[in-house]
Amino acid sequence: GAVVSQHPSWVICKSGTSVKIECRSLDFQATTMFWYRQFPKQSLMLMATSNEGSKATYEQGVEKDKFLINHASLTLSTLTVTSAHPEDSSFYICSARDPQGTDTQYFGPGTRLTVL
Amino acid sequence: EDKVVQSPLSLVVHEGDTVTLNCSYEVTNFRSLLWYKQEKKAPTFLFMLTSSGIEKKSGRLSSILDKKELFSILNITATQTGDSAVYLCASPRGGGSEKLVFGKGTKLTVNP
Repeated sequence: GAVVSQHPSWVICKSGTSVKIECRSLDFQATTMFWYRQFPKQSLMLMATSNEGSKATYEQGVEKDKFLINHASLTLSTLTVTSAHPEDSSFYICSARDPQGTDTQYFGPGTRLTVL
Repeated sequence: EDKVVQSPLSLVVHEGDTVTLNCSYEVTNFRSLLWYKQEKKAPTFLFMLTSSGIEKKSGRLSSILDKKELFSILNITATQTGDSAVYLCASPRGGGSEKLVFGKGTKLTVNP
């Protein structure tokens, strides 16, 4: 299967700072990537769809000015949590669709964000 | 609204037991159903099912889809402690979307 990496795997930051999370497709090109967040004991919640070369599309209720997404190349999408607050603490996961064109999404290992 | 419902939400078994996890769906213009295993990190892909009645198998895990009754099952035989995880079921949203709608997952605990 396709390999997706994320960096960092965990980050702790102070309230009010911004945090950038990178998502890379390692052995394939991904025109579309997805960003999810997951709270403890809950399922994945889609935040936004990241499209290479164009603006991301956000799910209802997700603040686009708070969660900035940039998909500048076919192998890299970044999520920046701006002015982070403790309620933004969560597990953030990216995924990319199967390069073979099936519905399968391959997930990165996730980033645990803790905002103090 | 498209939805995926999994049952049970949690399950505790002993090593060697066989388990069956259930996933029912209501998705407009259904295309496929996906199973993932999530341990402490992000989900890892298990199976994608598109056709009714055709079993997908990988080692002790197998899965089948029933498009008439709108459900899928994931079977794990001879369970091991390493099978302990949350198993997620998902399907692409209707209307040709690439976005997945996930069930809440089944937490499986396999005790020695």
